[in-house]
Amino acid sequence: GAGVSQSPSNKVTEKGKDVELRCDPISGHTALYWYRQSLGQGLEFLIYFQGNSAPDKSGLPSDRFSAERTGGSVSTLTIQRTQQEDSAVYLCASSRTSDLQFFGPGTRLTVL
Amino acid sequence: AQTVTQSQPEMSVQEAETVTLSCTYDTSENNYYLFWYKQPPSRQMILVIRQEAYKQQNATENRFSVNFQKAAKSFSLKISDSQLGDTAMYFCAFMKGTSYGKLTFGQGTILTVHP
Repeated sequence: GAGVSQSPSNKVTEKGKDVELRCDPISGHTALYWYRQSLGQGLEFLIYFQGNSAPDKSGLPSDRFSAERTGGSVSTLTIQRTQQEDSAVYLCASSRTSDLQFFGPGTRLTVL
Repeated sequence: AQTVTQSQPEMSVQEAETVTLSCTYDTSENNYYLFWYKQPPSRQMILVIRQEAYKQQNATENRFSVNFQKAAKSFSLKISDSQLGDTAMYFCAFMKGTSYGKLTFGQGTILTVHP
């Protein structure tokens, strides 16, 4: 497809379980971003990758959160030992230029 | 750190009328970008319009235009001839003008267009 894709669309998990969220950026986009959208905190930056540079992890809320980007393309956001406050929509975006980010449809995570 | 404030949690407008959404921001940067994104119920964030801080001319995209007041750190969005499809959450966002970087978002404004 032409846009950013994310999977799964929805994920329900039990407290304490680990989850993996996937993002496929637009082909040719060198930068990839993760954001979290929750009722209490609004839209927050989590992490971004740009080419071969070290990722900017400054937005990750705790060490339970990690992300990797393999081969400069697909990215996986992993949340270990999920808590109820992790319930949110996780949005991925990619960009080819420095100023225009294109977003995917998001993954809604519900932690019971 | 940058902050973005949208003071209108909800707005409504009649179809075909004009509505203005407010946004203010705080930054010590001189080089930056400002954006308005639209998020309909589908959750897909869609870029509406973009403004480069060094450009004095206000950006326009068809029915969407901005009023960028750099000194006042204000960046409002005007939607003309509102359509039912404009119903969505609108986010104002800031990005430092370095090469690649995070977006800082406002709290969002829910806009409802009534027939």
